[in-house]
Amino acid sequence: DGGITQSPKYLFRKEGQNVTLSCEQNLNHDAMYWYRQDPGQGLRLIYYSQIVNDFQKGDIAEGYSVSREKKESFPLTVTSAQKNPTAFYLCASSISGGGNYGYTFGSGTRLTVV
Amino acid sequence: KNEVEQSPQNLTAQEGEFITINCSYSVGISALHWLQQHPGGGIVSLFMLSSGKKKHGRLIATINIQEKHSSLHITASHPRDSAVYICAVRTGNQFYFGTGTSLTVIP
Repeated sequence: DGGITQSPKYLFRKEGQNVTLSCEQNLNHDAMYWYRQDPGQGLRLIYYSQIVNDFQKGDIAEGYSVSREKKESFPLTVTSAQKNPTAFYLCASSISGGGNYGYTFGSGTRLTVV
Repeated sequence: KNEVEQSPQNLTAQEGEFITINCSYSVGISALHWLQQHPGGGIVSLFMLSSGKKKHGRLIATINIQEKHSSLHITASHPRDSAVYICAVRTGNQFYFGTGTSLTVIP
């Protein structure tokens, strides 16, 4: 079955360490997205990529980095520069180009920094 | 100001009740999505609308483009419907999300 796989589901890291969250899709979607979800807030866009080797900052990109070397993969690195990294992170993908296209989410990664 | 506003924020219903969740948006859109997020965090897409009305089982979604408003209805609600329901709108390749409506259906 096609879908998005995020791993791991739960992740604990010490303050000051970089950590990379994995997102893989086998839907042949061009566009991929990373969102952060905090209690009581809507999903906020961190980064998105519409095509391989290209990505754009979202609303809250500071302290994060991404890469898009393959169409299927869009890993997110939470760097030590991110002031408040503990959150729930969701990856999503869609067919690029706007319009009436589907949108698929992964199951999320809950990151806790201690 | 949020581009997408949902109401109510929290909703508790008795099993069997008819439920309505509302979504208003302020941007021009190509499509509106209703999403369901379960306690574990994973999100599934329930509906994608650009006009009119769609129905899947006990779920009905409507959209009024002129009024920039959409509603999600659940008929004969059941405890397994308990989840957070999120309205999202698409403009080009950007998505804007509401903060969600937390629904609890009591047996």
